[in-house]
Amino acid sequence: AQRVTQPEKLLSVFKGAPVELKCNYSYSGSPELFWYVQYSRQRLQLLLRHISRESIKGFTADLNKGETSFHLKKPFAQEEDSAMYYCALGATQGGSEKLVFGKGTKLTVNP
Amino acid sequence: DVKVTQSSRYLVKRTGEKVFLECVQDMDHENMFWYRQDPGLGLRLIYFSYDVKMKEKGDIPEGYSVSREKKERFSLILESASTNQTSMYLCASRSTGVGNQPQHFGDGTRLSIL
Repeated sequence: AQRVTQPEKLLSVFKGAPVELKCNYSYSGSPELFWYVQYSRQRLQLLLRHISRESIKGFTADLNKGETSFHLKKPFAQEEDSAMYYCALGATQGGSEKLVFGKGTKLTVNP
Repeated sequence: DVKVTQSSRYLVKRTGEKVFLECVQDMDHENMFWYRQDPGLGLRLIYFSYDVKMKEKGDIPEGYSVSREKKERFSLILESASTNQTSMYLCASRSTGVGNQPQHFGDGTRLSIL
């Protein structure tokens, strides 16, 4: 079964503190993982994907196949990071590719 | 820059009405998707289309249908709207490059069924 679990619905940190948003997945194939972000009153947008292995807005995420995890991390949170974050798994259905999303984590960065 | 446009930001309809949500993308993407977004439930895939006139059921297709007559346009149809279909609806598109290409989303349509 294809499943993405984000165990925290809400996460609150202070500005300058490290932040980690957890994501675990279940997939029998070779996984492709993404993080999407939705800022207030904006459209959902791609933050990063594991195959790119890049840092976007200071965020990084490492795919750990042994732990089936793809946690999102930032060493020093900023107030503008407050948003809804979704972890997504790329999966194949009927020869086509789709995304399976987690339920999301709302991150609040307090001043 | 990819542009995915949903025809309405807000829509109010009555129970039993037939409702059409329209989505247009300008990047010649092969794949298009319809999701609903509900608090605490995340994004759930309703239907997707990998080519013109082709469609595939997602995780929650009941009560919905779709139409893809042209490559750039993907319509979601609520055959007989019910109050439990009140939600935010998101359309997305993506190309079919190597690997699972990222999806590009529209602004969403907040639909209320009274």
